[in-house]
Amino acid sequence: GENVEQHPSTLSVQEGDSAVIKCTYSDSASNYFPWYKQELGKGPQLIIDIRSNVGEKKDQRIAVTLNKTAKHFSLHITETQPEDSAVYFCAASTYGNEKLTFGTGTRLTIIP
Amino acid sequence: EPEVTQTPSHQVTQMGQEVILRCVPISNHLYFYWYRQILGQKVEFLVSFYNNEISEKSEIFDDQFSVERPDGSNFTLKIRSTKLEDSAMYFCASSVSGPNQPQHFGDGTRLSIL
Repeated sequence: GENVEQHPSTLSVQEGDSAVIKCTYSDSASNYFPWYKQELGKGPQLIIDIRSNVGEKKDQRIAVTLNKTAKHFSLHITETQPEDSAVYFCAASTYGNEKLTFGTGTRLTIIP
Repeated sequence: EPEVTQTPSHQVTQMGQEVILRCVPISNHLYFYWYRQILGQKVEFLVSFYNNEISEKSEIFDDQFSVERPDGSNFTLKIRSTKLEDSAMYFCASSVSGPNQPQHFGDGTRLSIL
């Protein structure tokens, strides 16, 4: 089955700087890649997603890139703010399947 | 913005007892899911549900688990005879349509087995 690796596990970034979180997946049939933000005591909140027919997608300060050949995708947050501090999870699902396979999470801390 | 709601937020149960976790998915969503997250570990898929039947399940979802949509709004997860290792956060999610579509999560139920 699909396996998703995520790194780093923790990341501290100065406010205003950029943060990058990377994930790799194992199943070349995966075609949908969402990113979730989880704040303390809350459930995962979908922040952006990308499909395998697209190489990059951007939504304001957040962008996701996908390299199908290398089987990795990355989350980029620019101009980071204190409210960006949270745990971020990548996930993947294979074509025709409903199951999301999650990465192990990255705890992002924005230093004021 | 519509959201997935889960009750209770925290459930404490004696080992061996049955527990039912409840979820109200987003109203126009047709696909429903349960995931769990053991403390400090990744979120794991349990089951997906569509058109009143299970469409996909993981190896975790054994005979102790069952799901049901008892009416037009609720979606439940039942654990028949709880074990210590069932202690986890359980998340319900829903999506408008099926595979490879955005899934929206509730805030979870923390299940503690004593």
